[in-house]
Amino acid sequence: DIVMSQSPDSLAVSLGERASINCTSSQSLFYSPYNKNYLAWYQHKPGQPPKLLIYWASTRESGVPDRFSGSGFGTDFTLTISSLQAEDVALYYCQQYYNTPPLTFGPGTRVDIK
Amino acid sequence: EVQLLESGGGLVQPGGSLRLSCTASGFTFTTYAMSWVRQAPGKELEWVSGVARSGDTYYADSVKGRFTIARDNFKNTVYLQMNSLRPEDTAVYHCAKQSDGNGRYPLDSWGQGTLVTVSS
Repeated sequence: DIVMSQSPDSLAVSLGERASINCTSSQSLFYSPYNKNYLAWYQHKPGQPPKLLIYWASTRESGVPDRFSGSGFGTDFTLTISSLQAEDVALYYCQQYYNTPPLTFGPGTRVDIK
Repeated sequence: EVQLLESGGGLVQPGGSLRLSCTASGFTFTTYAMSWVRQAPGKELEWVSGVARSGDTYYADSVKGRFTIARDNFKNTVYLQMNSLRPEDTAVYHCAKQSDGNGRYPLDSWGQGTLVTVSS
């Protein structure tokens, strides 16, 4: 199974400042025939279901604000919130869908307001 | 609008069984793979099982041989039959739609979840 790790475990950022979350996979998520990285990011708020933010490592899901962006290649990826808003307080998970089953998630990163 | 509505959760004793249901609307159900993902209290998200558009099924090692996933394309419903339940199966179980017909796609819509508690 592909193991996903995330750092930091949690971070606190001032409103309007940048927040960055790192995700590392135990093997490459890049599939060269399709030229894609099989990596997604989700936002999870208490009492709500997880919400897909980013897929193929850098493609923003429809309706997701453009302050959210994804980057990275192979085994190392980053989710960036360019200007943190109060509504962005949540847990953020990365997930690989390159080698399934199983789909595997990272342990999550908690984002709070400083 | 995609809607996924789970039901069937509850309190069950260790060794017992439950069947979860997820009724889908707002999209062409037969086109997409579906999964169940759970989150135990204080734990991370864990994928449990999936069923492809073709009907092929997949399981996490932790539930293989105890859980069975199935889809009814006439009822737009996916089921998770859970047998031989253990306390470590206690979690909120979410139904999720994948963005295409097989498992190598992200989960683009999720239900609110249904709570399963395994305790004596």
